[in-house]
Amino acid sequence: AQKVTQAQTEISVVEKEDVTLDCVYETRDTTYYLFWYKQPPSGELVFLIRRNSFDEQNEISGRYSWNFQKSTSSFNFTITASQVVDSAVYFCALSEATGFQKLVFGTGTRLLVSP
Amino acid sequence: DGGITQSPKYLFRKEGQNVTLSCEQNLNHDAMYWYRQDPGQGLRLIYYSQIVNDFQKGDIAEGYSVSREKKESFPLTVTSAQKNPTAFYLCASSPQGALGEQYFGPGTRLTVT
Repeated sequence: AQKVTQAQTEISVVEKEDVTLDCVYETRDTTYYLFWYKQPPSGELVFLIRRNSFDEQNEISGRYSWNFQKSTSSFNFTITASQVVDSAVYFCALSEATGFQKLVFGTGTRLLVSP
Repeated sequence: DGGITQSPKYLFRKEGQNVTLSCEQNLNHDAMYWYRQDPGQGLRLIYYSQIVNDFQKGDIAEGYSVSREKKESFPLTVTSAQKNPTAFYLCASSPQGALGEQYFGPGTRLTVT
């Protein structure tokens, strides 16, 4: 069975601090996808990134970066120079690469960025 | 603007009543999904539909029902059989070949007392 663990329930930082959100996953599939979604206070989830299991290159998008390590089954998300607008709940998710591709979500990490 | 609409944002019902949550999308997506979110928990899949007139149970379908008569609409009925209906309900959709990427609506917070 697939499982995603986000051990950090809530993180509080001050603006401009860097913060890393941890994600550890379990799957028996050799091919799968990993995701990060952001849920701002408005409620809807916003897609941030998808990573194929064969692609272990780190990715950077502006202040966001992702570190995928198959050896430790982790897909961590770092926000550099955090801003108040980054305050949200962040979900890591996993899906199989074939068939229905159901998303299995972690329990989320609430990030609070204070001015 | 293209997107997913869920209405209403907040819904209150008395215990024992059925209630239907609306989900409409104008993205021309084939697949649609309903999730339930409880405090401190991730999203759990209730039902999904990959094509019109077809839908499948997710992980927690008991006490819920859906229909998919039109491509753009996927209403969810929370029946009186659902033991703990109070939750935040999210609808999502995805096009073919989306590789797991889903587009979410703003959600409906249902409170049953």
